[in-house]
Amino acid sequence: QVQLVESGGGVVQPGRSLRLSCAASGLTLRNHGIHWVRQAPGKGLEWVAFIQNDGGRENYADSVKGRFTISRDNSKNTVYLQMNSLRAEATAVYFCARDIWDSGRYYTDIWGQGTLVTVSS
Amino acid sequence: EIVLTQSPGTLSLFPGERATLSCRASQSISSNHLNWYHHKPGQAPRLLIYGASSRATGIPDRFSGSGSGTDFTLTISRLEPEDFAVYYCQHYDSSLPLTFGGGTKVEIK
Repeated sequence: QVQLVESGGGVVQPGRSLRLSCAASGLTLRNHGIHWVRQAPGKGLEWVAFIQNDGGRENYADSVKGRFTISRDNSKNTVYLQMNSLRAEATAVYFCARDIWDSGRYYTDIWGQGTLVTVSS
Repeated sequence: EIVLTQSPGTLSLFPGERATLSCRASQSISSNHLNWYHHKPGQAPRLLIYGASSRATGIPDRFSGSGSGTDFTLTISRLEPEDFAVYYCQHYDSSLPLTFGGGTKVEIK
């Protein structure tokens, strides 16, 4: 079964760190960029970060720049999101999604079910 | 950065009815760069339509997308029980950030 599975979420105090993982099964990630997207309680989807297939390019939303770092280990078929100096507004379900470009069209075709991060004292 | 505005915020319909969802971009975009997703709580978002009008793999033909410039539409011809969910449009043109509309919730009337 082709899927992405996120893990690593939990309850963390403000100012602390957490690392999320996005593991692939039934597909090889090394040929694809991966995005992290989050959904705060009662809100819509918000793009967080992107990493190119070979790790050569990273992009971040302004709201997390300097505090979050995306990385990948293609030998483990896994992408990570290191989240430092966490704030309450980072509370959300975090999804990873596979990046596709196809004849000038760009989209995210496979998503995980998400992992919940709660930042609270 | 492109801002996407979806309307209505909530659509209340009976199963079997037709649903028409709108997504308006803050400036003209290529139809290649507009995508639609279906999302239910606790589940993975699912790609429905890419490039404004191409159905993703496994998506039934009751879903169709159209539009150009700043105005795009997702149409569900006959609502099935599993279609009651939140729908998001997305703009992605290789530059980042990719952006999402605020969502339209399709609920059972």
